[in-house]
Amino acid sequence: DGGITQSPKYLFRKEGQNVTLSCEQNLNHDAMYWYRQDPGQGLRLIYYSQIVNDFQKGDIAEGYSVSREKKESFPLTVTSAQKNPTAFYLCASSIQQGTNEKLFFGSGTQLSVL
Amino acid sequence: DQQVKQNSPSLSVQEGRISILNCDYTNSMFDYFLWYKKYPAEGPTFLISISSIKDKNEDGRFTVFLNKSAKHLSLHIVPSQPGDSAVYFCAASATGANSKLTFGKGITLSVRP
Repeated sequence: DGGITQSPKYLFRKEGQNVTLSCEQNLNHDAMYWYRQDPGQGLRLIYYSQIVNDFQKGDIAEGYSVSREKKESFPLTVTSAQKNPTAFYLCASSIQQGTNEKLFFGSGTQLSVL
Repeated sequence: DQQVKQNSPSLSVQEGRISILNCDYTNSMFDYFLWYKKYPAEGPTFLISISSIKDKNEDGRFTVFLNKSAKHLSLHIVPSQPGDSAVYFCAASATGANSKLTFGKGITLSVRP
């Protein structure tokens, strides 16, 4: 079955530690996205990538980094510079960015700070 | 500046009745609108969409209405079922190379048996 796989489901971060969230898709989609959801908030865009080896900052990119070395993979690193990392992180993909295509989402990763 | 607004954080309806979820937007460039449904600790799933060239789109129990002059859209669920209890996000985008999907804060729908 085609879809988006996020791992791990739950992740804990210690102070000053960088952690990486995995996102893999086998939908052959060009565009991939990372969103953050906080309680009572909508989905806020962290980073997105329209194509391999290219990515753009979203609305709340500070304290995060990404890479897009393969079409299927778009890992997100939450760095120690992100002072409030506790949130539910969602990865998504679409056929192509900016073409009114719907997004397909993974099942999310809950990140908490120890 | 919130471009997509879901002003009511929650809604409770009786099973079998109609649920009406509202969404307002401010960006006149938006021309494509979507509704997503989300259960706790899961990713959102696509529900229904509408293009700005239409004012209504229907899919089974779900109908989305778009009023472009008022910059308002609504999702109707008829009849409502307990399994519909979830958070519903309204989202909008504008056609263009740099366009991104903008989400509202969501509405928590509770359908009472």
